[in-house]
Amino acid sequence: DAMVIQNPRYQVTQFGKPVTLSCSQTLNHNVMYWYQQKSSQAPKLLFHYYDKDFNNEADTPDNFQSRRPNTSFCFLDIRSPGLGDTAMYLCATSREGGGSYNEQFFGPGTRLTVL
Amino acid sequence: AQSVTQLDSQVPVFEEAPVELRCNYSSSVSVYLFWYVQYPNQGLQLLLKYLSGSTLVKGINGFEAEFNKSQTSFHLRKPSVHISDTAEYFCAVSRVSGGYNKLIFGAGTRLAVHP
Repeated sequence: DAMVIQNPRYQVTQFGKPVTLSCSQTLNHNVMYWYQQKSSQAPKLLFHYYDKDFNNEADTPDNFQSRRPNTSFCFLDIRSPGLGDTAMYLCATSREGGGSYNEQFFGPGTRLTVL
Repeated sequence: AQSVTQLDSQVPVFEEAPVELRCNYSSSVSVYLFWYVQYPNQGLQLLLKYLSGSTLVKGINGFEAEFNKSQTSFHLRKPSVHISDTAEYFCAVSRVSGGYNKLIFGAGTRLAVHP
């Protein structure tokens, strides 16, 4: 089945130690998104890639970076995680273009704990 | 600016009882509306969506929602809930930004179904 895959599902890191979360998709979608969801809160969009174009949300901290080496993969890098970065990180994809609505498909998420 | 308000943070209900989860949105333009479900430690799954046409939308797992433009509401309903419906439910609105559809989520409603 075509799907969005996130690895690892659970990640524990130490304060200040860089961490990378991975997302891959078999849907061949041209847009990939990263959301941060803190406990009991709504998902919050961090940034997205439209093809190779990176689009950062205005309030996303500089500590968060992303890479998309090809259509299928997208990475979230947290350069110096703080305790406040403990959250679920959700990856999503969609096929955009043509002016109509296109559904976002979500992966299962990576639960990151910063100690 | 668009926003989404979910009026109840928690809704307890007994098994086989009906349930309604309330959602109001604010927007000055036409919108697309969605309900997502999130089970513990899982990603988001689309329950149903309103894009246009009939204001009564049927989704998966027996859920339905009604789009009410005059009241700017998109309440989610199920006539008879099961224990397995216990989850977090998010209402979302989509707006076009930079050529793609950006999802804006409400704060979520935790549905707890009791035996």
